Formats: sequence, structure tokens, C-alpha cells
Amino acid sequence: DAKTTQPPSMDCAEGRAANLPCNHSTISGNEYVYWYRQIHSQGPQYIIHGLKNNETNEMASLIITEDRKSSTLILPHATLRDTAVYYCIVRAHTGANSKLTFGKGITLSVRP
Amino acid sequence: DGGITQSPKYLFRKEGQNVTLSCEQNLNHDAMYWYRQDPGQGLRLIYYSQIVNDFQKGDIAEGYSVSREKKESFPLTVTSAQKNPTAFYLCATRDTNTDTQYFGPGTRLTVL
Repeated sequence: DAKTTQPPSMDCAEGRAANLPCNHSTISGNEYVYWYRQIHSQGPQYIIHGLKNNETNEMASLIITEDRKSSTLILPHATLRDTAVYYCIVRAHTGANSKLTFGKGITLSVRP
Repeated sequence: DGGITQSPKYLFRKEGQNVTLSCEQNLNHDAMYWYRQDPGQGLRLIYYSQIVNDFQKGDIAEGYSVSREKKESFPLTVTSAQKNPTAFYLCATRDTNTDTQYFGPGTRLTVL
């Protein structure tokens, strides 16, 4: 799986949009961009994934650049409960024998 | 994820004892996984199962055992042979349609 680079931390004000960047310059054509988050002492939570088109669901939006070398996860109205470590992962769909590998992620702190 | 339950949430074990961690899912997913997460580190795959009555070793299977007698259940036994069992254990399932893995809330095992 391609390597991703995320800044170690960022913060934003409650109610504002949180834009979390991820670089994946070595992404291959068949690799998807996935985002998970992990709130302290809880299991990771799937947020969203995409291949090349922008995606939106009830939790977030995923914006992938045209060259697919970077992406941004957008939480449109951050709340205190969004404080967590966010992991950007790039992986191909290889079936049930594929494992997930998390890097260090980005710690998002939402301030009141 | 609400469809995956792990119990207990916290578990304490004396050295030399075997202990079994429970993982149950009602998502009707065929594939299930066990990961281990240590403080400040990423995920490491212990075992996975693609289908009932079948399972494969992951990267760190030594000292662990699993069974998959039912689609809904994938228990993990941490044996006394596991040298450093204190960790956060995560169970996951995989949605075949999207190749997305979903995690349970985790079990924190502490060996005293």
C-alpha cells in the first residue's frame, strides 16, 4: 500500500469546518483513499473512502485532487466529540486477506 | 461500530493464565479480523478468518489462537505463551461489497 503523510496535529474551533490534509504522492491507479478516526480508548471508526471522485456522507466530505496525490477530509461543523486521531490510508481492494495499517495519523483537537 | 460487540471492555489476567476475548457481529460479514494495538503504535494483525471454519495467521499469531465455528463469532484466546499480552485488542469485520473494514469497541487486556 502507498505511504501517506499527515501533519501530526491541528485544531479548530467548535462549529467551524475542520480540513484535514493527507499527502499520498505514490498512490497507484487502483488504490483507494480511506479515512478512519479513533477516539481515545475506542475502536477505530470508518469515516469515508474514495477512488478519484469527491465523496460525501453524513459524517464528512472527501476531496481528492485531480492528480490523486493528495486529499482533504472535511468535517463541515466540528464538535467537541470530533476530537480524535484521524488516519488517512491508501490501499487497493485486495480481498479478505488484506490487513489495515495505520500510520501515526493527525490529532484533531476541537476547542470550545 | 454498533454491529460489532467485544467483551469484556477491560480484562485483567494473571501471568500464566489463558484468557478468551469475545467478538460477535450481526453485520452478516464473512471475513473477521483480530488486531492488536499498543500505545503510540499502529495496528498489527493477529489472525483473520475469511469464512466459517477457516482462519489464517496474521503477522503476530504466536501465543494466540482463534476459532470460527459460527459466522457471527470469532473468539480470540491469548495463551500463556504470549510474552507481552498487555495491549488493546480490536476485532473487525469486512464488507465484501466495499472492501471496508469495521471495528468493534475493543478490549483492553492487562496482565498483572
